[in-house]
Amino acid sequence: DTGVSQDPRHKITKRGQNVTFRCDPISEHNRLYWYRQTLGQGPEFLTYFQNEAQLEKSRLLSDRFSAERPKGSFSTLEIQRTEQGDSAMYLCASSPRQDFYEQYFGPGTRLTVT
Amino acid sequence: DAKTTQPPSMDCAEGRAANLPCNHSTISGNEYVYWYRQIHSQGPQYIIHGLKNNETNEMASLIITEDRKSSTLILPHATLRDTAVYYCIVRVTDTGRRALTFGSGTRLQVQP
Repeated sequence: DTGVSQDPRHKITKRGQNVTFRCDPISEHNRLYWYRQTLGQGPEFLTYFQNEAQLEKSRLLSDRFSAERPKGSFSTLEIQRTEQGDSAMYLCASSPRQDFYEQYFGPGTRLTVT
Repeated sequence: DAKTTQPPSMDCAEGRAANLPCNHSTISGNEYVYWYRQIHSQGPQYIIHGLKNNETNEMASLIITEDRKSSTLILPHATLRDTAVYYCIVRVTDTGRRALTFGSGTRLQVQP
């Protein structure tokens, strides 16, 4: 068990470009969450997967954002036509298949849009 | 989920107990109190949770008032590594499905 991993750890992109982030949850964790965190604020929920099904999306997830979790393993979060307001830390978390109280977070991907 | 109120920052001397308060006056009977912390440049980390009884684990103790309108997280012997932002979260169910709703938290600075 190596924990939740995220790639890349840092991404700098120009406004208007597309970016994609990857999250590898802990093995056997069927629940996966994406959060966004801006400076000085707590993380904000974006979307939730149970296995490969995307069951919940926040209003923060505009149509420029898309998330997938093919085969219920790793997940990707894509942002199209990035804007400066997308600059943030993107965090991924996972939790086990049984009802469980703890979410395990990865180290995050820091996105800077210039 | 009920809203929580925490002081924005606190200081604590190394080796002393750190007592972090949280107000959740609108909590419902089926809502749990969770505490997470986030050390700089890391993702949040679960600490402890409880419904109405006091709870203790290897990291901390959670004291919930009898009316459940407030709680206190206690780090019994704070170390420099406990410097972090601490989030108090109230959530409806004790399951892994629901997303966590973080506030701004309390920034705890442990002083040497």
